[in-house]
Amino acid sequence: DAKTTQPNSMESNEEEPVHLPCNHSTISGTDYIHWYRQLPSQGPEYVIHGLTSNVNNRMASLAIAEDRKSSTLILHRATLRDAAVYYCILRDKFNSGGSNYKLTFGKGTLLTVNP
Amino acid sequence: EAQVTQNPRYLITVTGKKLTVTCSQNMNHEYMSWYRQDPGLGLRQIYYSMNVEVTDKGDVPEGYKVSRKEKRNFPLILESPSPNQTSLYFCASSFRGTNEKLFFGSGTQLSVL
Repeated sequence: DAKTTQPNSMESNEEEPVHLPCNHSTISGTDYIHWYRQLPSQGPEYVIHGLTSNVNNRMASLAIAEDRKSSTLILHRATLRDAAVYYCILRDKFNSGGSNYKLTFGKGTLLTVNP
Repeated sequence: EAQVTQNPRYLITVTGKKLTVTCSQNMNHEYMSWYRQDPGLGLRQIYYSMNVEVTDKGDVPEGYKVSRKEKRNFPLILESPSPNQTSLYFCASSFRGTNEKLFFGSGTQLSVL
């Protein structure tokens, strides 16, 4: 899987928007961009994913650069419950690594939300 | 409620005493997997299963066994635990496909003394 680069940590204030960046300059044409987050003392949870177009769901928005070499996860109004480690992960659409649908986690971005 | 259930949540044991961590999902997922999470090393895959009776090694399988006799259950077995297996373990499941969401359990914190 192609590598992603994220800031180690970011800080935000409650009820303000948060933009979490991810660089993936070696992304291939068949890589989907997935975001997961891990709240304290919990397992990772899916947030959103996309290929080329921007995506929205009830949790967040995903903005993908036109050249696909970077993306940004947007939390529109951060709450204290959004404090977590956020992981940006690339997944090959054709799963060239075989039949294993594993996620390759990096270090992620630790988001702190201030009240 | 759709969920992946792991038990126990916490486990302290001694070196060499066989143990099993259970994992069950209620979403009829074909794919299941185990990860361990260690400080500085992140989450690493131990074993995975594509369906009943189909299992394969992940990145760090040494010292672990798994079985998949039923679709919903995927237990992780440590036949002779050692202190280097002290870790936080997560079970995950999904439908088959790289665009399917993985659902994770709440984790099992294992300490091997």
